[in-house]
Parts: sequence; C-alpha cells; structure tokens
Amino acid sequence: AQSVSQHNHHVILSEAASLELGCNYSYGGTVNLFWYVQYPGQHLQLLLKYFSGDPLVKGIKGFEAEFIKSKFSFNLRKPSVQWSDTAEYFCAVRTNDMRFGAGTRLTVKP
Amino acid sequence: EAGVVQSPRYKIIEKKQPVAFWCNPISGHNTLYWYRQNLGQGPELLIRYENEEAVDDSQLPKDRFSAERLKGVDSTLKIQPAELGDSAVYLCASSLAGTGDYQYFGPGTRLTVT
Repeated sequence: AQSVSQHNHHVILSEAASLELGCNYSYGGTVNLFWYVQYPGQHLQLLLKYFSGDPLVKGIKGFEAEFIKSKFSFNLRKPSVQWSDTAEYFCAVRTNDMRFGAGTRLTVKP
Repeated sequence: EAGVVQSPRYKIIEKKQPVAFWCNPISGHNTLYWYRQNLGQGPELLIRYENEEAVDDSQLPKDRFSAERLKGVDSTLKIQPAELGDSAVYLCASSLAGTGDYQYFGPGTRLTVT
C-alpha cells in the first residue's frame, strides 16, 4: 500500500543550526511531492512542491528539498534555522490522491 | 484573496450526538477535499469533490459520515451519530484544477466527543 514515512517525530535545534527532515514514500509511479508547514495556531501552508524538472526545489523562507527518485525520498533542508521556524512539517505525496506523513515537530531554541 | 473558510472552529459534543462542519472553498476552486487529522498524525483524506460530484469517497466511513457539496461551492460534512474515536481536527482544502494543483487548507474544526 502507498505510504509516506517521516523519520523524525520531534527535532530540537538551536538557532543557526542546519536542518534536514527525511521523507520517504512507497510508490513506484509518477508522483507529485509537497512539503507543508503548520505554525502554532495556524493552518497548513505549502512550503514547496515538486512536479517535474530540476529535482532540487526551492521554497519559501529559505527552505529547499531534493527529490531522489532512486531512493524514493524528498528530504527537506534549510542551512540555518530561526526560532520562527518552530512548527510541524508534513511531507505529502500525490498520485491519485494525497497521502501525508505523520509530521515532524521542529523546535528551534533561541 | 480570501482563504478556505471553515466553521465552527471548535465543537464539543457528547457521543451519539450529530455534528456538522461547513466549508467555503477559495472562489473558483473546483476541487474540494475533506480530511481528518488525528493527534500526532498527518491529514487523511475522507472525500474529494470535483464540482458537486464526489469522485473519491473510499475512505469515508459511510455508516455514520456523510458529505454534500450542493451547487459545487460550499460543502458540509456530517457525522451521525458521533463516537469517541471521531475526536480529531477536520480539515477542508480546495484546489484550482482537479488533482493537478496544490491544495489550500482551511484552519480546521477541532471536534471533541465526550
């Protein structure tokens, strides 16, 4: 069955540290890939998306993600996190419908 | 541009009671989704509408859940009767063109069943 796995449930970093959140999926066909973010008290917002083309995609607020087809992965990265990046991050994969991972809670300490 | 609007934002009911959630998608968005998000989990699709037609309701528990999207705009999701396990956040999302576009999410309705 199609699934999306996010490896880390909770990540705690200090400001200026680098971030990488893992996302793997189990579907062999054509996929669209997304990262959504949910800041405390706010609704889900799109961070970035990959449909085709350059596998390195850049999103808002300095985030980027790399699609590695051979590894079925779409990891999210940011070189230097800020306190305001504290949020929950969801990876999502769309084939016929959208499947979300369980989310990774990021806490950035000032 | 107004976002996806949902109401109510919070609802507390006793088990076996009915409850309804309302969603107004972004103007012009043909596709509307209802998701359920349990604590500590990602959203799970319940139903997807293309205009007024439900094109994917395979994950909707049809014994107690129902949904409608009259006139292809607003939508209502109903649970009757509610069970303790229905406590969750119910999210509505919309997109411009079928599944070929990313989804805009509303703030959700947090349901607590006691």
